[in-house]
Amino acid sequence: EVKLVESGGGLVQPGRSLKLSCAASGFNFNDYWMGWVRQAPGKGLEWIGEINKDSSTINYTPSLKDKFTISRDNAQNTLYLQMSKLGSEDTAIYYCARTYGYFDYWGQGVMVTVSS
Amino acid sequence: DIRMTQSPASLSASLGETVNIECLASEDIYSDLAWYQQKPGKSPQLLIYNANSLQNGVPSRFSGSGSGTQYSLKINSLQSEDVATYFCQQYNNYPLTFGSGTKLEIK
Repeated sequence: EVKLVESGGGLVQPGRSLKLSCAASGFNFNDYWMGWVRQAPGKGLEWIGEINKDSSTINYTPSLKDKFTISRDNAQNTLYLQMSKLGSEDTAIYYCARTYGYFDYWGQGVMVTVSS
Repeated sequence: DIRMTQSPASLSASLGETVNIECLASEDIYSDLAWYQQKPGKSPQLLIYNANSLQNGVPSRFSGSGSGTQYSLKINSLQSEDVATYFCQQYNNYPLTFGSGTKLEIK
């Protein structure tokens, strides 16, 4: 069974950084592109970015390119999202997902709240 | 960026009815279009990819169609468990973009 479990969320002060993790199981993690999508409370879905199998290609939505960094550790079957200079607009549920362009498996999501 | 305009924003239908949700792309996306269902408090679930391919395990009452800039999701014989918000998403061009969602309720 494919399983994606995000962790690392919580309450963070404006301007600070936070790193999310996504533990993958039930499939060969090395063989898949992975991505991050977020959803602000009561709002729609926003694509953050994606990373290919060997980390040689990483794509971001332009507005987040200078704030967020996606990485992966294939030995640990884990995807990461490093977020910096966080603001209230970054308050959202963050989902990791397996991607072919579309997303066939999603994690349960992790909440990040940016507030003083 | 490719803008995905989804309609209607909300929809109320009776059990057993057929509903259609539309998604209009701001440019040709060559059928690189997916549909997702998101139930309250849950993560999105893939229903349709490549505009008309049904994801494994998704009931056959869901179907997708369209080409170019116009796409639709059809739900036949509406069931109570179909209450959810539905999103379209294009993956033809970066950045990947989603429609704003259609909230489906039972009348």
